[in-house]
Amino acid sequence: QQQVKQSPQSLIVQKGGISIINCAYENTAFDYFPWYQQFPGKGPALLIAIRPDVSEKKEGRFTISFNKSAKQFSLHIMDSQPGDSATYFCAATLHISNDYKLSFGAGTTVTVRA
Amino acid sequence: DSGVTQTPKHLITATGQRVTLRCSPRSGDLSVYWYQQSLDQGLQFLIQYYNGEERAKGNILERFSAQQFPDLHSELNLSSLELGDSALYFCASDRQGSSNEQFFGPGTRLTVL
Repeated sequence: QQQVKQSPQSLIVQKGGISIINCAYENTAFDYFPWYQQFPGKGPALLIAIRPDVSEKKEGRFTISFNKSAKQFSLHIMDSQPGDSATYFCAATLHISNDYKLSFGAGTTVTVRA
Repeated sequence: DSGVTQTPKHLITATGQRVTLRCSPRSGDLSVYWYQQSLDQGLQFLIQYYNGEERAKGNILERFSAQQFPDLHSELNLSSLELGDSALYFCASDRQGSSNEQFFGPGTRLTVL
């Protein structure tokens, strides 16, 4: 059972366009929301992350928007480049005492056409 | 390069067999996580070890087991393999087992024929 629901499954965008990936969660105990980027043949790598007390975080061309009341968050990739072509996973972290669990969304494959 | 190493890179075996996947965490990381990535299930958390002890269990089958050794490397053992076990298996590590960033290895691609 997916604790974090991610959409779309895939998207194609022209170079210079905006890619938008959406995620939704149910468990309000989640306290950290990272996005991981995975290139073919590689393991996922942390791209950008946000805490639920912040509504937006921007790092370069990547922006996370967070809506706590709707339990939704999204990744925007501005001025998309061919090098951004990868699979993107949203995730949510649950901290309990010294333990934490990372739950991933199903992933979105982004293809940027030159 | 994340600093996490996994061997082998590829593994092809037959149903019913047993295999062992190996992971070496980043230098200084005490915690190791195992994930299974398949096309229809995404990234599924299997199990976590911290400094040699099992800390958390996810969707790990009883046919699968893991351990973390005193030198902190970890092995994932998969037995009585089925076709559906074909997947990418990732190992990740972090410093204390409670940080917010995990560092993933390059994965082991397992094909069960």
